[in-house]
Amino acid sequence: SYVLTQPPSVSVAPGQTATITCGGNNLASTSVHWYQQKPGQAPVLVVYDDVDRPSGIPERFSGSNFGSTATLTISRVEAGDEADYYCQVWDSSTDHFVFGTGTKVTVL
Amino acid sequence: QVQLQESGPGLVKPSETLSLTCTVSGGSVSSGHSFWSWIRQPPGKGLEWIGYVYYSGSTNYNPSLKSRVTISVDTSKNQFSLKLTSVTAADTAVFYCARLSYSRGFDYWGQGTLVTVSS
Repeated sequence: SYVLTQPPSVSVAPGQTATITCGGNNLASTSVHWYQQKPGQAPVLVVYDDVDRPSGIPERFSGSNFGSTATLTISRVEAGDEADYYCQVWDSSTDHFVFGTGTKVTVL
Repeated sequence: QVQLQESGPGLVKPSETLSLTCTVSGGSVSSGHSFWSWIRQPPGKGLEWIGYVYYSGSTNYNPSLKSRVTISVDTSKNQFSLKLTSVTAADTAVFYCARLSYSRGFDYWGQGTLVTVSS
C-alpha cells in the first residue's frame, strides 16, 4: 500500500517559518491534503489539492508538491500553531485513502 | 455549514461488534460528490481511514479492515453507520466520522468518540 513519510517532529521559534515535509512515491502525480490536529480535537483541513486553503484558514499556511515531496509551510508561526500535522492522499491505483505518519510541531 | 456528530457505546467487549452512528446536519447525505467516511485514531497514534459509503449505498473499505467492517447509510435519517466485528484491544481508538470529497479531502469532521475495547 502507498506510504507517506513525515518527520516525527519539527521545532520552530515564534515568528519564524515551519516547514513540514511529506514523502511518497511519485507524489506530485496526485493531490495532497494537509490537516492540523490540536490535542483533544478533531483534525482540521488546512490545505487541499496541494496549494488551496479552505475559507477561514490564514494565508500563513501554504502548500507545494513537487517530485516525491509535498511541503506544508507555516509562515510567521504563532503559539496557536502548535499541533500535529498530517498529509493525506488518494491512492488512485487502489481507490483508497492514506494518511501520513504525522508531524508534531512545537513552538519554542 | 455541515456538522457531523458521532454516537454509540464508549465501551465494547472483546470479540463483540462495535457500532457507531454519525448524524449529519446542515447538509444532506444524499448530496452528490460527498462520500461519508469513518476514520480512527488509536491513543497517541496517527489517523487511519476505515472506509466510506456513498448515498447510493456503494462502499469502499480499507483492505486491512475490510473483512470486519460494514458502513451503511440511512438517507431518511440523514445518518450513516459503522459496524466493526470481532473487536480486540487493538481496536481501541477515537473514531471520527467525516465528509470526503475526492478533490478536497476530508473537509468536515465530527468531534470524535472514544471507543474502548475491554472486558
